Amino acid sequence: NAGVTQTPKFQVLKTGQSMTLQCAQDMNHEYMSWYRQDPGMGLRLIHYSVGAGITDQGEVPNGYNVSRSTTEDFPLRLLSAAPSQTSVYFCASSYSGFRTQYFGPGTRLLVL
Amino acid sequence: EDKVVQSPLSLVVHEGDTVTLNCSYEVTNFRSLLWYKQEKKAPTFLFMLTSSGIEKKSGRLSSILDKKELFSILNITATQTGDSAVYLCAVEAGGSNYKLTFGKGTLLTVNP
Repeated sequence: NAGVTQTPKFQVLKTGQSMTLQCAQDMNHEYMSWYRQDPGMGLRLIHYSVGAGITDQGEVPNGYNVSRSTTEDFPLRLLSAAPSQTSVYFCASSYSGFRTQYFGPGTRLLVL
Repeated sequence: EDKVVQSPLSLVVHEGDTVTLNCSYEVTNFRSLLWYKQEKKAPTFLFMLTSSGIEKKSGRLSSILDKKELFSILNITATQTGDSAVYLCAVEAGGSNYKLTFGKGTLLTVNP
C-alpha cells in the first residue's frame, strides 16, 4: 500500500493563478481531510469528506474548493491564489472519523 | 468555537531529562483527544485518549486525560535527541460530524 500520496511536493504560484493539489489514498478510507499548517498555528482543517460525493467545510474553507467523486481521491482547488495561502498543505485519511488519521507527506505552496 | 491550547510553546532540555507537555481544551461534545509527533514532515499518531484517568503508555512516552478539568498531559522520560519534534494535541468533537481541532504544538528540543 502506498498510503496517502500528495502531489506536487512543492509549488510556486503567482497571485491570481489557480491550481489543484492532488491527494489519493489506497486504504479504502471513507474520511479524507485537507489541513494547512502555518508557523505557530498548528494544523487547521480546510475541508473534509465523510465519503464519496459528500464534502463539508472545516475551519478555514474560504478560497478553496473540494470534490470527492471517488473514495480514493480528494483534490483541493485553489481558485485564485493569494499570498495568504502560502502554507504547507496536508491531506489525511481515516477509516472512520478523524481518529488515527494517516497523513500524506505534505505539499509546500508558495504564492508570490 | 472549539479551542485547544498547548503549553509550553517551546521547550529545550538535555538528554535524560523528563518533560511534561500540556494540552487544555474547550470544546462542545468531546469525543477523543489525540497526540501526534511531527518531525519536519507529516504528523505521526502517538495516542488517543477517551476516558479520564487511564494512562496510555508506549515506551518512554505516556499520556493521561482529565475530562473533568479538561486537559491532558504527555510525559516523556529519559529524553533522547530523537525525541526532538513538534508535539501536537488535537481534540475530536462536534455534532453529527465530529471534527478535529489542533493546538499550536509544543516544539521540544533535546540537546545532547
